[in-house]
Amino acid sequence: SQTIHQWPATLVQPVGSPLSLECTVEGTSNPNLYWYRQAAGRGLQLLFYSVGIGQISSEVPQNLSASRPQDRQFILSSKKLLLSDSGFYLCAWMDRNSPLHFGNGTRLTVT
Amino acid sequence: AQKITQTQPGMFVQEKEAVTLDCTYDTSDPSYGLFWYKQPSSGEMIFLIYQGSYDQQNATEGRYSLNFQKARKSANLVISASQLGDSAMYFCAMREGLGANSKLTFGKGITLSVRP
Repeated sequence: SQTIHQWPATLVQPVGSPLSLECTVEGTSNPNLYWYRQAAGRGLQLLFYSVGIGQISSEVPQNLSASRPQDRQFILSSKKLLLSDSGFYLCAWMDRNSPLHFGNGTRLTVT
Repeated sequence: AQKITQTQPGMFVQEKEAVTLDCTYDTSDPSYGLFWYKQPSSGEMIFLIYQGSYDQQNATEGRYSLNFQKARKSANLVISASQLGDSAMYFCAMREGLGANSKLTFGKGITLSVRP
């Protein structure tokens, strides 16, 4: 069966520091991978998605970037965090025959 | 224009009663899918139910059913026999097209509180 791992679960970082959130998927090949962000009490905003290794589509201009160095690995990064980057970040995967499956999320607080 | 609209304010329901959570959508793509997710206070997103645009019958999954009215572009979630554990945020989402670039667009969510 397929599983998705996302870490860390919580993170507190100062403004201006770098960020790296990692997500890996097991049990499936060539999935579509997604990064969503959820502000407190709000809906989900799609940040990036990837249909294959090295292929990244950005949905909104922002301070973040994403990379997919391996088929089942998706990384969300920032060189310098802003206060507005605080939120709940969710990684997810999907293929043609499945709904979107989410990781447990990372709660990021930028101080 | 918003693709997924969830306009209900916080919803309250008595335990063991049924509740309907509203969702309307907007798309010109003939092939699309509609999803409902539950997000408890722990933050995880739990897939509940799926309805394809070509499905002839309304989807059902246990206590969850989807009232799909294609002409009205609505996909309301019905939860029967509410339980205290149903208290959570509920999100409606849509996937347009079936290609490799398909992605889900989410509504803003509805908070459901189940009263004992």
